[in-house]
Amino acid sequence: DQQVKQNSPSLSVQEGRISILNCDYTNSMFDYFLWYKKYPAEGPTFLISISSIKDKNEDGRFTVFLNKSAKHLSLHIVPSQPGDSAVYFCAASDHGSGNTGKLIFGQGTTLQVKP
Amino acid sequence: KAGVTQTPRYLIKTRGQQVTLSCSPISGHRSVSWYQQTPGQGLQFLFEYFSETQRNKGNFPGRFSGRQFSNSRSEMNVSTLELGDSALYLCASSLAGQGEQYFGPGTRLTVT
Repeated sequence: DQQVKQNSPSLSVQEGRISILNCDYTNSMFDYFLWYKKYPAEGPTFLISISSIKDKNEDGRFTVFLNKSAKHLSLHIVPSQPGDSAVYFCAASDHGSGNTGKLIFGQGTTLQVKP
Repeated sequence: KAGVTQTPRYLIKTRGQQVTLSCSPISGHRSVSWYQQTPGQGLQFLFEYFSETQRNKGNFPGRFSGRQFSNSRSEMNVSTLELGDSALYLCASSLAGQGEQYFGPGTRLTVT
């Protein structure tokens, strides 16, 4: 039962353009969402998060949008840089249900930013 | 602040053996979560420890266990290793188990 889905295994964009990574979820109890970036042989690096009471959160080049009615979130990277090339994971939690410390991850999307 | 550290970084074990992995959280973080990453199953939650107590557990067999010490450092143990236990084991720390988790570099376990 895949509660968090990233349906695009890969994405390729040109340097300077916008990268949009998508994530869908099925569990309406999720109350917190996060995006992580991962390079090979390293642990995931936290990028940005959003609470279910908000619909947008921005941090520099990164913006996360949450559409609760569609159970969909997206990460926008503007402008994209070659150093952004990595695997991006969407994650969700339902801490309100007492599931402390537990993140449910999507399968990841590999982003390639071409110079 | 120093990040999350994990030791060892790489490990090769034989089927049937047991293994212990160690994790030191960010200073001040009291919650430590463990995850297994495999190509087929992705990143899966193993368990979470807070104040030396296991508060949450994922769907893994009892061969997977862990503990947390009074300084918040955590260890996980896998007994009777199987070939399918080959994976990247990641630990993550957070202040109290909610919000952002910060990951260590992982321990790459290979079971032969």
